[in-house]
Amino acid sequence: EPEVTQTPSHQVTQMGQEVILRCVPISNHLYFYWYRQILGQKVEFLVSFYNNEISEKSEIFDDQFSVERPDGSNFTLKIRSTKLEDSAMYFCASTLGGYQETQYFGPGTRLLVL
Amino acid sequence: AQSVTQPDIHITVSEGASLELRCNYSYGATPYLFWYVQSPGQGLQLLLKYFSGDTLVQGIKGFEAEFKRSQSSFNLRKPSVHWSDAAEYFCAVGAKVNTDKLIFGTGTRLQVFP
Repeated sequence: EPEVTQTPSHQVTQMGQEVILRCVPISNHLYFYWYRQILGQKVEFLVSFYNNEISEKSEIFDDQFSVERPDGSNFTLKIRSTKLEDSAMYFCASTLGGYQETQYFGPGTRLLVL
Repeated sequence: AQSVTQPDIHITVSEGASLELRCNYSYGATPYLFWYVQSPGQGLQLLLKYFSGDTLVQGIKGFEAEFKRSQSSFNLRKPSVHWSDAAEYFCAVGAKVNTDKLIFGTGTRLQVFP
C-alpha cells in the first residue's frame, strides 16, 4: 500500500539554524500539507500546497517558514531560523483531490531546537 | 469557525470492555469527519471517515463511529478493546468548501489494562 514517507525521523538543531524537513507524498497525489504537533498539544495545520503554490497557510506559518516541491517526488518544509518554540513533531500529508479526499499522513519528523 | 472538542483527555478501560470516545464539532454545515489514531512514536493512521450517506461508518481494527447531526457529535466506538488499541485518538473535521485543512481535537489517550 502506498504511503507518505518523511525524513529524517528525528532532528536536533541549534536555535537560529536552518532546517529542511523532507516528505515524499503518495506518488499520484496532487495536494500536500504540513501540520505540526507540539508535545502534548493537538495537531495544527501549517500550510497546504497545490500546483506549485501555497493554497492556504495558518498564522503559524510566518516568514520563517517556506515550502517547496523541488522535483516530482519531494515536498519540503524549510524553517529559516529555528526558535525553541519550533520544537514539535512535523507531519506531512497528501491527498489526491483536495478537500473531498482523505489526507494520508506520514510518520512525522520530530524536531528538537536547543 | 470550525472547532473540535474531545472532552475526555484520558480514558482507561480493561481489555475486552467496550469503548466510546467522544467528539463534538462546531461547523456551520455538515462537515467531513475523521478519526485518526496515533500509536506511540508513530504517525497518524486513519481509522474511519464520514463524508455523507449512512451515518454509521465502519473503520479498520473493528472501530465504528456514528454521526449525529442533532448533537454535532461523531463518537468512536469499539465493542471489545484489545491491548494493542492503547494509543492516542484524534477526531478531526474538514470543511466542504473554501479550505481543505483539517481541524483536530486535542486527542484522547486510551490506556488498556489486561
